[in-house]
Amino acid sequence: EIVMTQSPATLSVSPGERATLSCRASQSVRSNLAWYQQKPGQSPRLLIYGASTRATGIPARFSGSGSGTEFTLTISSLQSEDFAVYYCQQYNDWPPRATFGQGTKLEIK
Amino acid sequence: EVQLVQSGAEVKKPGESLKISCKGSGYSFTTYWIGWVRLMPGKGLEWMGIIYPGDSDTRYSPSFQGQVTISADKSISTAYLQWSSLKASDTAMYYCVTYRPVSGTLWPVGNWGQGTLVTVSS
Repeated sequence: EIVMTQSPATLSVSPGERATLSCRASQSVRSNLAWYQQKPGQSPRLLIYGASTRATGIPARFSGSGSGTEFTLTISSLQSEDFAVYYCQQYNDWPPRATFGQGTKLEIK
Repeated sequence: EVQLVQSGAEVKKPGESLKISCKGSGYSFTTYWIGWVRLMPGKGLEWMGIIYPGDSDTRYSPSFQGQVTISADKSISTAYLQWSSLKASDTAMYYCVTYRPVSGTLWPVGNWGQGTLVTVSS
């Protein structure tokens, strides 16, 4: 099973600053990587798929990069509504066996 | 508009059985695969398994194989997650989510159910 490791576990950033979140796969997942945002009491929200394609309605301040085993989610200028938990997920396996990272909590500094 | 509507919260005792549901609307139900995701209190998201409603092809994460059963009834556009004997450790929020086949993999579509909270306590 592919293991996804996110870092850091918690990231403290001030509003208006840039946040950079990392995700590493235990083996290559090509570009089959998604990022999600989850706020308390809400369902996860798809931000990025295909490692770098923004999902419908996602603001341009969210960007994804990487391929293979190393991936990054960048939020260029943090807004108050961006403080949440972020998860990466690989979906490269067939038969399908997607796995999530353990999450990064983005908190206000 | 694609919608996934899940059944309501459940409170059960250890050893009881349970079947929760996820009803799709706004699209042809056999267009997408339906996955299930667990969120335990204070923990992260865990991918449990997935089903194609068209032919009920079902795949499980190794961690959940034998622990739950995923099924679907395409005639009523509904997918299910069931337990035969609940444990306290099954207490969690459970979400259904859509995926579409692309180039030999299943890509997330971005549609999530609102979640079903399952509480197992004696």
